[in-house]
Amino acid sequence: EAGVTQSPTHLIKTRGQQATLRCSPISGHTSVYWYQQALGLGLQFLLWYDEGEERNRGNFPPRFSGRQFPNYSSELNVNALELEDSALYLCASGAPLPQDYYEQFFGPGTRLTVL
Amino acid sequence: RKEVEQDPGPFNVPEGATVAFNCTYSNSASQSFFWYRQDCRKEPKLLMSVYSSGNEDGRFTAQLNRASQYISLLIRDSKLSDSATYLCVVPNSGYSTLTFGKGTMLLVSP
Repeated sequence: EAGVTQSPTHLIKTRGQQATLRCSPISGHTSVYWYQQALGLGLQFLLWYDEGEERNRGNFPPRFSGRQFPNYSSELNVNALELEDSALYLCASGAPLPQDYYEQFFGPGTRLTVL
Repeated sequence: RKEVEQDPGPFNVPEGATVAFNCTYSNSASQSFFWYRQDCRKEPKLLMSVYSSGNEDGRFTAQLNRASQYISLLIRDSKLSDSATYLCVVPNSGYSTLTFGKGTMLLVSP
């Protein structure tokens, strides 16, 4: 079974530009989660999409946005890039389980560098 | 108290040692917890889930103390390949999102 895939692996942009990151969840999973992992800060929750809708977002400015497509793949867009946006962006997919908990499975991440 | 707090380490241990990490959490309503393992510059991978008082999987044992709001991870007979950062993870209300601790780094030496 294929895992979560993300593209591109690396992305280099300059300040003020826009970045688009992509994620394909595990087959059968309807939820996609986006996280930012900046150096020394741990994983910070960005966005959660399920069934095509944004369900929750973390404490990030509106220039972080995204969407989920009918095939459950997802896109994260970061507008007006700032130097501090440089981080590893991780996508995870998950599906609700009968025991009333979620397991999230992560993709390899996209390393965004803003110069 | 921070939502999820872990000692960042690093914990330096020799092969074969037993090592334990603790994690404290603030949300007393949380029912399930997770330990993820993250290798350097790699994605986190689910190591163990903890629902009731604890869980054991081979050399790894996770225990939950609800009264004190902490979770522990015990690794017995450490291997070189156990070197990684261990992330404590607590679901938020409704389990829709997870809060990750910053992780505890483990370095196992020969």
